[in-house]
Amino acid sequence: EPEVTQTPSHQVTQMGQEVILRCVPISNHLYFYWYRQILGQKVEFLVSFYNNEISEKSEIFDDQFSVERPDGSNFTLKIRSTKLEDSAMYFCASSGGIGEKLFFGSGTQLSVL
Amino acid sequence: GEDVEQSLFLSVREGDSSVINCTYTDSSSTYLYWYKQEPGAGLQLLTYIFSNMDMKQDQRLTVLLNKKDKHLSLRIADTQTGDSAIYFCAERDTGGFKTIFGAGTRLFVKA
Repeated sequence: EPEVTQTPSHQVTQMGQEVILRCVPISNHLYFYWYRQILGQKVEFLVSFYNNEISEKSEIFDDQFSVERPDGSNFTLKIRSTKLEDSAMYFCASSGGIGEKLFFGSGTQLSVL
Repeated sequence: GEDVEQSLFLSVREGDSSVINCTYTDSSSTYLYWYKQEPGAGLQLLTYIFSNMDMKQDQRLTVLLNKKDKHLSLRIADTQTGDSAIYFCAERDTGGFKTIFGAGTRLFVKA
């Protein structure tokens, strides 16, 4: 079965540093998403991306966050200046259509020290 | 705003049925989902139900929806040790880009 792949699986960074989390969605999917889960808390929606632009974003997704689809296969999440509270598991997802099921990657565990 | 609540832990014996419950607040929810997360893996869609349905059965899984009470449940028949995982309830509305998740219920299956 096709799958969403995320790299790296773990990322450790110092507070204030920039990080880029990478995702390769399923190849024929059109909608792309980032979610995050702080340890012990809910899986939270960050942003959705369609047709090369952000279609919806949450309050969490402030100016420190950006997304990009630099080529036909990758979908990235950049955090410009990481804070301690950005430590979480970040999940990438994709879907073929707006109402279709989400396929999730296995996540990137981000630790900000 | 939209919210999804579920209990955090459930422990059952192998062979028993497991029932995981969830409540949601968004009355315009159209799709309601159950996802499973095994250690080190992403979220895997187990099953889903449309809001115009009351029940959906898929092999050992039964989903019940009480739209009036905004209550969703997942029943796993003949629970096996391989069912041990975190189960997430989630909802989205028609045309919505975002899916709202609960915090997940950790299911422990004792042999």
